[in-house]
Amino acid sequence: GQQVMQIPQYQHVQEGEDFTTYCNSSTTLSNIQWYKQRPGGHPVFLIQLVKSGEVKKQKRLTFQFGEAKKNSSLHITATQTTDVGTYFCAGRNNAGNMLTFGGGTRLMVKP
Amino acid sequence: DAGITQSPRHKVTETGTPVTLRCHQTENHRYMYWYRQDPGHGLRLIHYSYGVKDTDKGEVSDGYSVSRSKTEDFLLTLESATSSQTSVYFCAISDRQGLGNEQFFGPGTRLTVL
Repeated sequence: GQQVMQIPQYQHVQEGEDFTTYCNSSTTLSNIQWYKQRPGGHPVFLIQLVKSGEVKKQKRLTFQFGEAKKNSSLHITATQTTDVGTYFCAGRNNAGNMLTFGGGTRLMVKP
Repeated sequence: DAGITQSPRHKVTETGTPVTLRCHQTENHRYMYWYRQDPGHGLRLIHYSYGVKDTDKGEVSDGYSVSRSKTEDFLLTLESATSSQTSVYFCAISDRQGLGNEQFFGPGTRLTVL
């Protein structure tokens, strides 16, 4: 079945440093979504990417979808303590019936 | 936050006992999902529903059953709980299956099976 791998599993950064998490799928995706989960909370939808090579920005967050629609990345510029949490990618296959989540990257930010 | 509640929020039970978790939504969304979250595994889909009485299996459905008799309620049952089912369970809902199909998650249920 479809597998979605995410690296790194954990990342410690100093406040103000940049952060990137990478997502790779074993199969071509129809679209990919990103979610953020604060400690003790539930996942919250951030964005969806659909087109090959698509890049979207939300303030300090930049999301990319690979040309082959098998990988994606989330980059945070100048991290803040409010960025702390676990970031998940979730890919939808061409059948469209299920989302497969990556294992998540837990971001910790030292003030 | 979308109108999704889960009950109970915490439960401790013993191996072999039946357990039912409830997800209730007030958004009238068609699709409902049950996930489990374990360290290092992200969120794994257990079962999902695409309408009243319409359900299907996810990737980790063994040992779980679901029912959806009303649009607003989706029940997850562990017929005979095992320690491997200790986890945090999240319910999610979405309005569409295709594009624009973001999922909204409930607050989660922490289940411990002793």
